[in-house]
Amino acid sequence: ELKVEQNPLFLSMQEGKNYTIYCNYSTTSDRLYWYRQDPGKSLESLFVLLSNGAVKQEGRLMASLDTKARLSTLHITAAVHDLSATYFCAVQETSGSRLTFGEGTQLTVNP
Amino acid sequence: GAGVSQTPSNKVTEKGKYVELRCDPISGHTALYWYRQSLGQGPEFLIYFQGTGAADDSGLPNDRFFAVRPEGSVSTLKIQRTERGDSAVYLCASSDYNRGLGGELFFGEGSRLTVL
Repeated sequence: ELKVEQNPLFLSMQEGKNYTIYCNYSTTSDRLYWYRQDPGKSLESLFVLLSNGAVKQEGRLMASLDTKARLSTLHITAAVHDLSATYFCAVQETSGSRLTFGEGTQLTVNP
Repeated sequence: GAGVSQTPSNKVTEKGKYVELRCDPISGHTALYWYRQSLGQGPEFLIYFQGTGAADDSGLPNDRFFAVRPEGSVSTLKIQRTERGDSAVYLCASSDYNRGLGGELFFGEGSRLTVL
């Protein structure tokens, strides 16, 4: 059974600081997704990573994938309050189409 | 439509009642997914349709849960004899599934089910 673990689960940081969220998964996969969820809202797609070594950047967020280590990272640069949300990684097994989600990382950026 | 549409947005029912939740996917998307999300947790997979057929229903928790997609577009999730533990947000997502092009899932706003 595929397991997806994120850490940290809770992250409080100051504006202007950098930090990294980690996503580990337990079986072979070449497709990993990052989503953002605001309170009471649905999931917004941030990044789709489709191969080993893939790196994508959008604004202050950058995601990468290392399929050999079964690890993805979401790096936050110079955080701003608007980034406060819960971030989920989700892994799609190579043999099927379901996404398996991590528990989420609740990020709070303080002024 | 422009995005995935789910109705109702909120449903309050009594234990033992029958509930239907509807999902209208993005036009042209062949893949449709149902997930369930409890407070403070990540979405939990329920079922996935490719066209009209259920390609993977291994996430349905028991036989009280059933989903259909008769014409390959709109889907209905049906819950019989609801229990308080069924209370959650039920999320629907659709995808233009193609492994070579990304196939990311686009989620609706969800249907919040409360069983009293």
